[in-house]
Amino acid sequence: KNEVEQSPQNLTAQEGEFITINCSYSVGISALHWLQQHPGGGIVSLFMLSSGKKKHGRLIATINIQEKHSSLHITASHPRDSAVYICAVRLNTDKLIFGTGTRLQVFP
Amino acid sequence: GAGVSQSPRYKVAKRGQDVALRCDPISGHVSLFWYQQALGQGPEFLTYFQNEAQLDKSGLPSDRFFAERPEGSVSTLKIQRTQQEDSAVYLCASSFWREFGPLTDTQYFGPGTRLTVL
Repeated sequence: KNEVEQSPQNLTAQEGEFITINCSYSVGISALHWLQQHPGGGIVSLFMLSSGKKKHGRLIATINIQEKHSSLHITASHPRDSAVYICAVRLNTDKLIFGTGTRLQVFP
Repeated sequence: GAGVSQSPRYKVAKRGQDVALRCDPISGHVSLFWYQQALGQGPEFLTYFQNEAQLDKSGLPSDRFFAERPEGSVSTLKIQRTQQEDSAVYLCASSFWREFGPLTDTQYFGPGTRLTVL
């Protein structure tokens, strides 16, 4: 069993839809990252959070430490949001453990 | 430059060949990480430096993999006697570091080096 699991693995949406990607983990963490990876390999950090909720533009990330669960929401999705979204948890050693990612495609 | 850079961006090697992958972190970043990402998978941790000290190399898959950061800035990941299973994207990331207190920084990733071993 992976220490970090994401769902769904693949997601398609129509432009404008509200999107939720989930991440569950089984280890003790000091923080959780949501990352975006476009084709070609470039990774961009979207959020790092250790409690509560963060919002940036159309993106919202929440984390429940007790339940070991985090969600990434995209409001009013757009085709340019199409990418792989990766959840990664940070152990106390600064080491990151990554989920396998959720491939999102948003169609116009 | 403003971000983490890696070179080469693409490398094709014949099985058995040695390769060296370079990472230039963001200036002033103390921590540097190497990750391996196989096709269709999430990245997996390889090794971690704090300045020139390699604090964690638990993710290196075999003794053919070696990483160094001799002056605490640029890092090189070397793979000896490459095998087909080494084909992957190798990602480098850097971050600030604090010894105490809450973790508030984030890791900045380079574009990766895509290694193909034939």
